[in-house]
Amino acid sequence: NAGVTQTPKFRILKIGQSMTLQCTQDMNHNYMYWYRQDPGMGLKLIYYSVGAGITDKGEVPNGYNVSRSTTEDFPLRLELAAPSQTSVYFCASSHDTLNNSPLHFGNGTRLTVT
Amino acid sequence: AQSVTQLDSHVSVSEGTPVLLRCNYSSSYSPSLFWYVQHPNKGLQLLLKYTSAATLVKGINGFEAEFKKSETSFHLTKPSAHMSDAAEYFCVVSERRSNYQLIWGAGTKLIIKP
Repeated sequence: NAGVTQTPKFRILKIGQSMTLQCTQDMNHNYMYWYRQDPGMGLKLIYYSVGAGITDKGEVPNGYNVSRSTTEDFPLRLELAAPSQTSVYFCASSHDTLNNSPLHFGNGTRLTVT
Repeated sequence: AQSVTQLDSHVSVSEGTPVLLRCNYSSSYSPSLFWYVQHPNKGLQLLLKYTSAATLVKGINGFEAEFKKSETSFHLTKPSAHMSDAAEYFCVVSERRSNYQLIWGAGTKLIIKP
């Protein structure tokens, strides 16, 4: 049981490039989330999904897009990378709403935009 | 509006001595409160949660936390620190009406001295 798997682990982008951060989970969780973690700060929610075909913005969605075509996969797309998007990105999933169910996290993707 | 303040960015203790990581919160409604732990280069893992049952909550690895409404605090403690406890710890709040949004503290790095 792999849990939540994120790829790649590290990536360096030039300003203006695009990329997709991949996230897949094998726990059949309906709820999935993307967070970013900046140094000295707590996690900020970028986007979340409550099931296949349904996505919604979180606290800091600008510059990102997501899709949820299957229960397992929740990729995060950066269209025009900017230095402000340098961060560590975490994908997470949960069985139920956050008051009733813990988050299961991937190991993160460290992204640098130069 | 909800907010979380972790009062110490770093805490250093000797192995075998007690651990205290402090967290204060503000919330307009009955909150759910969580502590998550992040080991180096890993994703985050739930340590424990409070959701309005007993005010003293026991978690994994010997940690516990006490919800004190009058002090708006949710401090994390452990009687005896172990080298494997070295990690970053995050206090998190969620209001019951918000199923998908968590507010994260900035984190406290726990350093264990041999």
